[in-house]
Amino acid sequence: NAGVTQTPKFQVLKTGQSMTLQCAQDMNHNSMYWYRQDPGMGLRLIYYSASEGTTDKGEVPNGYNVSRLNKREFSLRLESAAPSQTSVYFCASSRQTYEQYFGPGTRLTVT
Amino acid sequence: AQSVTQLDSQVPVFEEAPVELRCNYSSSVSVYLFWYVQYPNQGLQLLLKYLSGSTLVKGINGFEAEFNKSQTSFHLRKPSVHISDTAEYFCAVMKTSYDKVIFGPGTSLSVIP
Repeated sequence: NAGVTQTPKFQVLKTGQSMTLQCAQDMNHNSMYWYRQDPGMGLRLIYYSASEGTTDKGEVPNGYNVSRLNKREFSLRLESAAPSQTSVYFCASSRQTYEQYFGPGTRLTVT
Repeated sequence: AQSVTQLDSQVPVFEEAPVELRCNYSSSVSVYLFWYVQYPNQGLQLLLKYLSGSTLVKGINGFEAEFNKSQTSFHLRKPSVHISDTAEYFCAVMKTSYDKVIFGPGTSLSVIP
């Protein structure tokens, strides 16, 4: 099992550019999550999907959109990147909303 | 609203010494509690969890935590740390009736040789 995979690992964008972060899990988990990690702030939930076909906003959804493409895949899109979105992004999945399994992260820099 | 406080942002400790990382949460309802560890340039992985039952929970790598409902705390302990324990540690809480997890700001543990 690969667990949770994320692509790309690193990305540099200019202000106003768009991009999609990809996430996939092979553990047959129902729930999937997108977090951002900033120094001193822990992880903050951007969006989550409790099951295929549903998505809900988390703590910091502004500037982001998500798509739960199928049970395995959950993508995060930045339509018009801003320097404030410079962060490390983590995707996670869980079964029955208990312990979460995290991907390796995507380091995004917006200049 | 739930919140998680980790009182120490950085904890330096000598190798083979004991360590305690503190976590307090605020919630008026029943919760599940977790500790996650993040090694440099990696994602988070679960150390241990409290769902119900015994308030003393044992996890991987010799860590344990004790749930104290009256003090709303879930402190993490290890009797003897190793260099390899150097990492960021996150406490997290989830309402038993909800599906979002709230993470604390993290504690950076540095083990000194």
